[in-house]
Amino acid sequence: DVKVTQSSRYLVKRTGEKVFLECVQDMDHENMFWYRQDPGLGLRLIYFSYDVKMKEKGDIPEGYSVSREKKERFSLILESASTNQTSMYLCASSQLGLRTDTQYFGPGTRLTVL
Amino acid sequence: EDKVVQSPLSLVVHEGDTVTLNCSYEVTNFRSLLWYKQEKKAPTFLFMLTSSGIEKKSGRLSSILDKKELFSILNITATQTGDSAIYLCAYLSRGGGSNYKLTFGKGTLLTVNP
Repeated sequence: DVKVTQSSRYLVKRTGEKVFLECVQDMDHENMFWYRQDPGLGLRLIYFSYDVKMKEKGDIPEGYSVSREKKERFSLILESASTNQTSMYLCASSQLGLRTDTQYFGPGTRLTVL
Repeated sequence: EDKVVQSPLSLVVHEGDTVTLNCSYEVTNFRSLLWYKQEKKAPTFLFMLTSSGIEKKSGRLSSILDKKELFSILNITATQTGDSAIYLCAYLSRGGGSNYKLTFGKGTLLTVNP
C-alpha cells in the first residue's frame, strides 16, 4: 500500500520559532511536494523536489525552506514562524516526473502560530 | 494574471444521476491540468491531463482536456452518495526562473442524495 506520513497532525508554535515539518514516503518515489491549504485559496505549492538534494520553488516559497537529504524524506522548514503561516500543510509524493498520473498525499499537519 | 474557474460552485443531485463539472483556465506556460477529490482529509488525486482530446477514465469517472478552448470537464456517471465531496481542478505551469506554479480553483461542492 502507498503510504505518505507526516510527523505531526497538529502543531502549535509561537511567532519567531523555527518549525520543522517532516514527511516520509515508503514508495521509493522521486518527487515530493509541500503544499499549504487555506480556506478560499485552495491548495498552493510551496516547494517540490524531484531528487535527493534537488528542489524547486513553487508558487509561494517565501518564508519557507526545504531539505531532501534522503529520498524518502522531505522536510519543510519555517525559519521564523509568523501568524500568517497558520495553515494546513500537506505533503505529497509521486513516482516519476511531473507527468506522472498519481500523486499521493499525506494526512496533513495543521499548524497554528500564536 | 493566471487563473482557473470552476463551475458550478455547488451541485446537488440524486443517486444514479450523471454530473459534469467544468474547469476553465487562463494561463501562460501551461503544462498539465489536474483533478482532485477532497472529502474530510487531504485531497485525492484523480486525473492528470496533458494532451488535448484524450479522455482519461477510471471507473465511473472520466475527464478530458481541450487546450484550444482552455477547459476541462470531469464526468461522473451513476453517482453514489460516496461521490459527495469537493472536486478541485488545478493547472501546473512554469513561471519565470525556476518556479513551478500549481494553481487550484475554488472547487465544486457535489452532494449526492440517496
